[in-house]
Amino acid sequence: QKEVEQDPGPLSVPEGAIVSLNCTYSNSAFQYFMWYRQYSRKGPELLMYTYSSGNKEDGRFTAQVDKSSKYISLFIRDSQPSDSATYLCAMSYMNRDDKIIFGKGTRLHILP
Amino acid sequence: KAGVTQTPRYLIKTRGQQVTLSCSPISGHRSVSWYQQTPGQGLQFLFEYFSETQRNKGNFPGRFSGRQFSNSRSEMNVSTLELGDSALYLCASSLLPGADTQYFGPGTRLTVL
Repeated sequence: QKEVEQDPGPLSVPEGAIVSLNCTYSNSAFQYFMWYRQYSRKGPELLMYTYSSGNKEDGRFTAQVDKSSKYISLFIRDSQPSDSATYLCAMSYMNRDDKIIFGKGTRLHILP
Repeated sequence: KAGVTQTPRYLIKTRGQQVTLSCSPISGHRSVSWYQQTPGQGLQFLFEYFSETQRNKGNFPGRFSGRQFSNSRSEMNVSTLELGDSALYLCASSLLPGADTQYFGPGTRLTVL
């Protein structure tokens, strides 16, 4: 079983819809969870990070962590064509000697 | 503040050759990490440098190596290139090593023929 699983998509939704992106993980020791957005021909850009279970909101984006289910989500409200990108989840153990583990990314297309 | 820069942006090599990629972190950032990104494997950690010392290494063969200079700039080298080394190589910088916020560069697209 891979440490981090993420559906590669592509996921196509109409403009204005709510988007739900998800990752599951196998190691309950992960403490720090991140979402990155990557546009074509660009490096990943950190969108959100959280240390704990629950929700964290930033504008149109909400990150949700459920440690009991080992499941994290990113919700995008009022989706825009400019949100079309690949979204990568990532997580780590919070030990400064540990590396960050990334999901493979979900390709998202917002249809105008 | 300038972002992370990587050079070159695109590179074409043939099997057996070696290649050196360069990364300049954000000013003031002392930690540099390297990643390999492929469609099949996703983003995989190569190694991390802090204060010119390698602090962490991923599961890659010894053909992959790196170093960091006193000005925090970093290079990675791949020797005896194989077709499977074709990938986007990304560099990320952060103030401190570990799970702090990382800022990625645009990457170097390496194609091995």
